[in-house]
Amino acid sequence: GENVEQHPSTLSVQEGDSAVIKCTYSDSASNYFPWYKQELGKRPQLIIDIRSNVGEKKDQRIAVTLNKTAKHFSLHITETQPEDSAVYFCAASGNNRLAFGKGNQVVVIP
Amino acid sequence: GAGVSQSPRYKVAKRGQDVALRCDPISGHVSLFWYQQALGQGPEFLTYFQNEAQLDKSGLPSDRFFAERPEGSVSTLKIQRTQQEDSAVYLCASSLELNHEQFFGPGTRLTVL
Repeated sequence: GENVEQHPSTLSVQEGDSAVIKCTYSDSASNYFPWYKQELGKRPQLIIDIRSNVGEKKDQRIAVTLNKTAKHFSLHITETQPEDSAVYFCAASGNNRLAFGKGNQVVVIP
Repeated sequence: GAGVSQSPRYKVAKRGQDVALRCDPISGHVSLFWYQQALGQGPEFLTYFQNEAQLDKSGLPSDRFFAERPEGSVSTLKIQRTQQEDSAVYLCASSLELNHEQFFGPGTRLTVL
């Protein structure tokens, strides 16, 4: 089955700086890659997703890039704000089931 | 509109008890998924439904776990003879179609003593 890995596990950034989280996946058949944000005790919420026919997607301060050859995809958050502090999960899907990474704790320091 | 809802939000069970967790998906969503999330980990896939059909249950950890969605809407995840290792948050998600955005419920936190 699909195996998704995330790096780094914890990321601290100064407010206003950029944060980058990288994920790798194992199944070349995967074609849908969502990113979820989960605050403590809350449900995961989709922040951006990308499909395998696209290399990059942007939504305001958030962007995702996908490299199918290398089987990795990254989340970029620019101009970070304290409310960006949360756990971020990447996921990959190719057979209708999502495989999640273990998550990255992002801490934005005011 | 109303999002995905789950009940109960918290459940404490004694080891060996049976529990039933309920999920109400977003109205009109065809696909429904169950995940198990251990503390500090990402959600782990358990099973999914397309309408009332359970198309993949390969993630269920043992035959003590059973899920159903008899009318293609509300779903129930049942765990028989609960064990301590079953303690986790059980998340339900629904989507309009397969391989589309999944909307998660708030989860049920199960603690087995």
